[in-house]
Amino acid sequence: QLQLQESGPGLVEPSETLSLTCTVSGGSHITDPSFWGWIRQPPGKGLEWLGTIHYSGTTYDNPSLKSRLSLSIDTSKNQFSLRLSSVTAADTAVYFCAKQGYCSSTTCYRFDSWGQGALVTVSS
Amino acid sequence: DVVMTQSPLSLPVTPGAPASISCRSSQSLLHSNGYNYLDWYLQKPGQSPQLLIYLGSNRASGVPDRFSGGGSGTDFTLKISRVEAEDVGIYYCMQGLQTPAITFGQGTRLEIK
Repeated sequence: QLQLQESGPGLVEPSETLSLTCTVSGGSHITDPSFWGWIRQPPGKGLEWLGTIHYSGTTYDNPSLKSRLSLSIDTSKNQFSLRLSSVTAADTAVYFCAKQGYCSSTTCYRFDSWGQGALVTVSS
Repeated sequence: DVVMTQSPLSLPVTPGAPASISCRSSQSLLHSNGYNYLDWYLQKPGQSPQLLIYLGSNRASGVPDRFSGGGSGTDFTLKISRVEAEDVGIYYCMQGLQTPAITFGQGTRLEIK
């Protein structure tokens, strides 16, 4: 059964860079024709899509993040990663990684497997 | 951005009774390929969201058949034919017809009476 696990620092200082890694295990290689996404949820609030990466390295990201987001993939480790620069308290959230059925510059759908989420707090 | 509006925001339901959640989008989610780019997710208390329905009406693997999705264009509905205690949580719709980003509805909290 496919498993995704987020890892990274739980506390980041304002103006610094938030970095998280998602490790994929349990029967699916990251290079299987799949897309891998990041979604976050501020405490007590709803869901916000951050971006998606294809195993080829092609990325799609949410313009609201104003170029602060960087996504990468390491096929040798079956991992994909997120870096969010110049963070503020507004970036405090639970960050989820997920396997996505399909994504392009015009259409995306189906986050069909999710990690358990990692709480990242931005504070000095 | 495409704005997704769900109603109601809170839905108390008696076990065994049906339930319905509406999701409306500010732009049509019907692509020229005939698919509606609208998914439904359930986030149970303390858990990650889980996929229920994708492309408007396709039930995800392992999802009970009491869940069904319908609608087209800008109006969509998630229906539960007979609510069970395990259905408690927050339901989100999500649009994937990027203009310019994937967006979610604000969520509908289903609770058992």
